[in-house]
Parts: sequence; structure tokens; C-alpha cells
Amino acid sequence: ETGVTQTPRHLVMGMTNKKSLKCEQHLGHNAMYWYKQSAKKPLELMFVYNFKEQTENNSVPSRFSPECPNSSHLFLHLHTLQPEDSALYLCASSQDLGNYNEQFFGPGTRLTVL
Amino acid sequence: GQNIDQPTEMTATEGAIVQINCTYQTSGFNGLFWYQQHAGEAPTFLSYNVLDGLEEKGRFSSFLSRSKGYSYLLLKELQMKDSASYLCAVMDSNYQLIWGAGTKLIIKP
Repeated sequence: ETGVTQTPRHLVMGMTNKKSLKCEQHLGHNAMYWYKQSAKKPLELMFVYNFKEQTENNSVPSRFSPECPNSSHLFLHLHTLQPEDSALYLCASSQDLGNYNEQFFGPGTRLTVL
Repeated sequence: GQNIDQPTEMTATEGAIVQINCTYQTSGFNGLFWYQQHAGEAPTFLSYNVLDGLEEKGRFSSFLSRSKGYSYLLLKELQMKDSASYLCAVMDSNYQLIWGAGTKLIIKP
């Protein structure tokens, strides 16, 4: 257990569905991240939040919409996804942004888009 | 562009030593991380290097040469449970982690 939880662990959705991924960290951290992990590819940083404020949006399509209501919770809202969006979505947190800050990862949500 | 290179897959024998290399080209450098990821699980932190030299932590050691853009992770006395992917990541000038694709390490009895 890393102190970061994600739900659901698995999700299958059609291209017209709307769903949300949830992440919660119990570490008292100030920064939270969404990553996409596809097979045999590097982790892709999607969004970064620091003290609930979005600091990075790495050219992510608008069909992915993040929400950070407080420093402990992070959501990723999904709508009209494409089959190529099928991947493992990982949430992470760190004490702060900057060096010396290791990131703690949740177990991920395995997403399949049909 | 920014780039992290590490071997795709390596095989080693239980009880032996293995070295996983990582080379990088990034815009700025604020440290290099190694993570371990077992299949179907979250990446977990192994080591962090920001200064040149060797950091030792039990059976695992990590080395950094900033002038060469090079790091390695050294695993000693390999155990079957060390079978996993090992991810190298560099923190760039914007304090974002740039990740390698990972090295899948297979341990054979």
C-alpha cells in the first residue's frame, strides 16, 4: 500500500459513454498527477495539480477532463473516448513539486474502450 | 527533444548481479529516479540521484554521471521477486518527470 488509492481498478466503456476515475491520497501531499501508461511506452504525464491548482496540461485531448476539489482527491472525467485511449491510468502524489520529491503511485485503473 | 533510453529487456540468473543502464538527454536536470514496477502493479520508488556518484541501498545501488547523461541501477544477489520492470525517470528544468519505457528484467532459477 502506497497511500494512494484509485477506483475503479478496471473499466470497460463504449465510445459514447461518460465515466470518471477517482484517486485519493492519504499522505498529506500537496501535488497530484495523472499519467497514462500504454504497453512498452514511457509513462505520459497528463495533468499536474499543486494545492488544487492545475499547473500542467500536456496537450491532452479535451475528452479527458481533470478535477481536483481538494489536495487529497483527484478525478479524471472521460467522455467520447477512442479505442486508442485504452491504457492503464495511474494517479500519483508527491509532497510538493520540485526535486527531492518522489512520487507515490496508486495501483491504476485499467481502461478498455470498445 | 527530451529522451530517455534504457534496454527493453534483460535476463539474469538468481543470485547473480545485473546492471540496468539509462542514458538521457533532457532540458535541464533536477535529479534521476529509478522505480520498480511489478506486472499489474503501481511503480514504487527505488532511488534518487542528483549528485554524481553511487548511492547504495541494501541490494540495490544507483549511479549517476551528469556529464555523461548516464545512470545505472545495480541489483545484487538477485531473487525471483526482483522480476519486474525498472523505470528510469529524469526531472527536467520544469520539475516534470521524463520517463524511459522501462527495462523488463527476467530472473531465471
